[in-house]
Amino acid sequence: AQSVAQPEDQVNVAEGNPLTVKCTYSVSGNPYLFWYVQYPNRGLQFLLKYITGDNLVKGSYGFEAEFNKSQTSFHLKKPSALVSDSALYFCAVRDLDSGYSTLTFGKGTMLLVSP
Amino acid sequence: EPEVTQTPSHQVTQMGQEVILRCVPISNHLYFYWYRQILGQKVEFLVSFYNNEISEKSEIFDDQFSVERPDGSNFTLKIRSTKLEDSAMYFCASRDGLSGANVLTFGAGSRLTVL
Repeated sequence: AQSVAQPEDQVNVAEGNPLTVKCTYSVSGNPYLFWYVQYPNRGLQFLLKYITGDNLVKGSYGFEAEFNKSQTSFHLKKPSALVSDSALYFCAVRDLDSGYSTLTFGKGTMLLVSP
Repeated sequence: EPEVTQTPSHQVTQMGQEVILRCVPISNHLYFYWYRQILGQKVEFLVSFYNNEISEKSEIFDDQFSVERPDGSNFTLKIRSTKLEDSAMYFCASRDGLSGANVLTFGAGSRLTVL
């Protein structure tokens, strides 16, 4: 079975400070990992993904994520937060070796960036 | 930018009533999905659809649920006899056949409230 844990319901950060949104995953095989963002009254929007290769993945809006196989983590990061980054962030995983092709999402982490 | 559109944005219904949620996926996409999110909980996979048939479904997707692609553009989710616990945000998503890494495009969601 594949699963995702986002241990924080909410992350608060001041504008201009670095931010981290945590995600850990569990798969029996090799993972595809994703981050999606949801703004109010909008659908989930793709931010970035890790498939293979470089452990540091860069995505939209200046976000990046680091794949750490030993810690089974895929934390989302940004060097300098903007108020407009305030949204709900979802981590997702697909187990490549399971034969199960759909994504499993975490429960989401609300990011609040204060001015 | 192409979008996945969902209607209605919000539906209120009485327990036991039938509900149909509608989705228009991106026109050249081949794979279609329904996910749901109960308030405060994780985004859960319901069903995937490809080549006019269900390709995968979760334990949530029981006999009360069905999906259909009636006319080549719409993709519907029907709940035959709604229960209180069906109250959730329902997300439709689609992807093309070229993206091997499951980058899904989501709609804004349909909020279902069962009274």
